Amino acid sequence: SQTIHQWPATLVQPVGSPLSLECTVEGTSNPNLYWYRQAAGRGLQLLFYSVGIGQISSEVPQNLSASRPQDRQFILSSKKLLLSDSGFYLCAWSVLNLGRRASYEQYFGPGTRLTVT
Amino acid sequence: EDQVTQSPEALRLQEGESSSLNCSYTVSGLRGLFWYRQDPGKGPEFLFTLYSAGEEKEKERLKATLTKKESFLHITAPKPEDSATYLCAVPVYNQGGKLIFGQGTELSVKP
Repeated sequence: SQTIHQWPATLVQPVGSPLSLECTVEGTSNPNLYWYRQAAGRGLQLLFYSVGIGQISSEVPQNLSASRPQDRQFILSSKKLLLSDSGFYLCAWSVLNLGRRASYEQYFGPGTRLTVT
Repeated sequence: EDQVTQSPEALRLQEGESSSLNCSYTVSGLRGLFWYRQDPGKGPEFLFTLYSAGEEKEKERLKATLTKKESFLHITAPKPEDSATYLCAVPVYNQGGKLIFGQGTELSVKP
């Protein structure tokens, strides 16, 4: 079965410090990978998605970047954190099945709670 | 523009009081509608996929239905452990499996 891991679970960082959040998926090959942020309230904002190694699509221009150095590894980074970067960061994976009935379900990791002080 | 709207934002029920959550969508060609459950401080948990109008899916006290414009998540005789935020989402065509999420409905079931 497939498993998705995120770490760290919680993080408190000062403004201006760097950031690195990691996500790894087990039990599947060539997944699509996604980074979301969930701020106060319940909306999920898609930040980046990747359909393969080294392929990153950015949804929202901001202080963050993403990289995919390996098939099942997705990293979210920042060189200098802002207060507005605080939030709950979620990684998700999917394996698109574009057969007769296409499948687009995404499966989420446990999340990282980031507080920028 | 593709859009997903959920209502109500919050719903408070007494244990055993059945109700429904609504998810309205506007997309250019539906390729599935997904329901998730999210507990506080955790990632969303996948519940159902619906593909075509008239389709229904059930899991314990939850039943999801789909029409051409909206989906309903019916909760029958809820229990306190059903308290969570329920999210619906639809995929955007030809964008790497990108999903558009609604803002969610926060359900609270009191004993």
